[in-house]
Amino acid sequence: GENVEQHPSTLSVQEGDSAVIKCTYSDSASNYFPWYKQELGKGPQLIIDIRSNVGEKKDQRIAVTLNKTAKHFSLHITETQPEDSAVYFCAAPRNSGYSTLTFGKGTMLLVSP
Amino acid sequence: EAQVTQNPRYLITVTGKKLTVTCSQNMNHEYMSWYRQDPGLGLRQIYYSMNVEVTDKGDVPEGYKVSRKEKRNFPLILESPSPNQTSLYFCASSRSSYEQYFGPGTRLTVT
Repeated sequence: GENVEQHPSTLSVQEGDSAVIKCTYSDSASNYFPWYKQELGKGPQLIIDIRSNVGEKKDQRIAVTLNKTAKHFSLHITETQPEDSAVYFCAAPRNSGYSTLTFGKGTMLLVSP
Repeated sequence: EAQVTQNPRYLITVTGKKLTVTCSQNMNHEYMSWYRQDPGLGLRQIYYSMNVEVTDKGDVPEGYKVSRKEKRNFPLILESPSPNQTSLYFCASSRSSYEQYFGPGTRLTVT
């Protein structure tokens, strides 16, 4: 099965700064890498994902990059805002062919005004 | 509105008293999963189901049971809860595209 490592566990930035969260995975056959955001008191929600046939994907202030050779992928948030404060989880497919995910341990992002 | 619902949202119970947490989705998804979330450990999968009557163990299945008699429902059963099952539980559903839709969570305390 897949093993996903996520760093850092906590990240504090000033409003307007950029934030980067990194994940590594173990199964070279993995082909789908999503990022979830969990706001306080809510369930995680998908914010962006990338498949292995591309190296980067952007959606407004967030982007994800993928390095298949090194087996790592990163979440980039630019121009951070206080509402970006949340716990972020990366994930990778748990088993090839099944629609279940193995999640990283999460990163608590705090954006200070 | 497309959603995953869980009940109850909060539950305090005592060791050994059987309980069931219900999960229902209205998106006609084949796949459903249960996770528990604990500080420092992230989200760990308990059980998952690929379709009606098809279930399999996740990473931490001990002490839990599930059933999938209907496509929309996936209840989590704790036959004899223990304090180490105190946690925040999430149900999720998905199609084969991997995107998972999570419920709002159930906070369980076992004393």
